[in-house]
Amino acid sequence: QQQVKQSPQSLIVQKGGISIINCAYENTAFDYFPWYQQFPGKGPALLIAIRPDVSEKKEGRFTISFNKSAKQFSLHIMDSQPGDSATYFCAASTTGTALIFGKGTTLSVSS
Amino acid sequence: NAGVTQTPKFRVLKTGQSMTLLCAQDMNHEYMYWYRQDPGMGLRLIHYSVGEGTTAKGEVPDGYNVSRLKKQNFLLGLESAAPSQTSVYFCASSSGLAGRGEQYFGPGTRLTVT
Repeated sequence: QQQVKQSPQSLIVQKGGISIINCAYENTAFDYFPWYQQFPGKGPALLIAIRPDVSEKKEGRFTISFNKSAKQFSLHIMDSQPGDSATYFCAASTTGTALIFGKGTTLSVSS
Repeated sequence: NAGVTQTPKFRVLKTGQSMTLLCAQDMNHEYMYWYRQDPGMGLRLIHYSVGEGTTAKGEVPDGYNVSRLKKQNFLLGLESAAPSQTSVYFCASSSGLAGRGEQYFGPGTRLTVT
């Protein structure tokens, strides 16, 4: 079964626009929610992560919004740039377990 | 530091052949993982290890075996390759399980089984 549902599968955004990727989960025991960024031909790399005790975390142009009651979290990329074009994965886990990844979103930022 | 390295980068196998993928990390991490990435399927955990000499099954372990004889190395074996195992394989390592240490990924191995 898919425990982390990610949408959309692909996204095209104009340079300077806002990119939004959403994830929903089912297991209320999840307590760690990272986002990974993957460029073509490379391995994924940690971008930003959040725990359920906060509703938002911001690092530069990247923000995670977390809604515990709705069991959803999202990645917002402000002022999107062509260099942000990549595949983004959300993930979730309970304490002491391996990550469960969403299926990924391919972001293309057009100049 | 090289981080996480994977050998080989590319491989083509015929159905029924066997091979071993090697992962090495130089960060003294306890935890290591093998994932496969398929279009539209995301990253799926095959096996992982919580320390030297230990292994555990992930989400899609069938058809694969692993060994962690040394802390810095994690081997993924395919005993009898099948076309369904055509994929990109990623190794990762971390100082702790999720939430206790960032996972660092290798560059991947692209495997084609004909």
